[in-house]
Amino acid sequence: SQTIHQWPATLVQPVGSPLSLECTVEGTSNPNLYWYRQAAGRGLQLLFYSVGIGQISSEVPQNLSASRPQDRQFILSSKKLLLSDSGFYLCAWSLGRAGGTDTQYFGPGTRLTVL
Amino acid sequence: AQSVAQPEDQVNVAEGNPLTVKCTYSVSGNPYLFWYVQYPNRGLQFLLKYITGDNLVKGSYGFEAEFNKSQTSFHLKKPSALVSDSALYFCAVRDDQAGTALIFGKGTTLSVSS
Repeated sequence: SQTIHQWPATLVQPVGSPLSLECTVEGTSNPNLYWYRQAAGRGLQLLFYSVGIGQISSEVPQNLSASRPQDRQFILSSKKLLLSDSGFYLCAWSLGRAGGTDTQYFGPGTRLTVL
Repeated sequence: AQSVAQPEDQVNVAEGNPLTVKCTYSVSGNPYLFWYVQYPNRGLQFLLKYITGDNLVKGSYGFEAEFNKSQTSFHLKKPSALVSDSALYFCAVRDDQAGTALIFGKGTTLSVSS
């Protein structure tokens, strides 16, 4: 069966510091991978998605970047964090079947607080 | 453009009563519709989805949802609520003409009282 991991689970960082959040998927090959942010109060915002190694699509221009160095690894980064980067970051994967019928499965999330 | 609306921020029901969490959508093509549940400080868990076929979809934990094309709705239902069903519920839609983006509603908090 497939498993998705995210770490760290929680993170407190000062404004201006760098960020690296990691997501890995086990039990599948060539998944689609996604990064979402959930701000306080609930809504989910798609930040990045990737359909293959080195292929990243950005949905919202901002202070963050994403990379996919390996097939089942997805990294979210920032060079300098802003207060507004605080939130709950969720990674998700899907099989990426043509036509968009695939289900996205979410990891446990990382709670980021920028002070 | 695709969008999804969950008109109720919160739904309160008594344990044992039926529950409904509402969702309406707007897409250009055909909709692919999903329901997820989120417990505090946890990731989203997939409940069920509608792609095509039977309008009544059955999912995990006794939940079901009914696709209504004329009303552009996909309401989540359960015949008998449990206190453990209390959580945040998200409806999501993908337009079959719009690629991989999954658009989420703002979520509805379900509170089941004993």
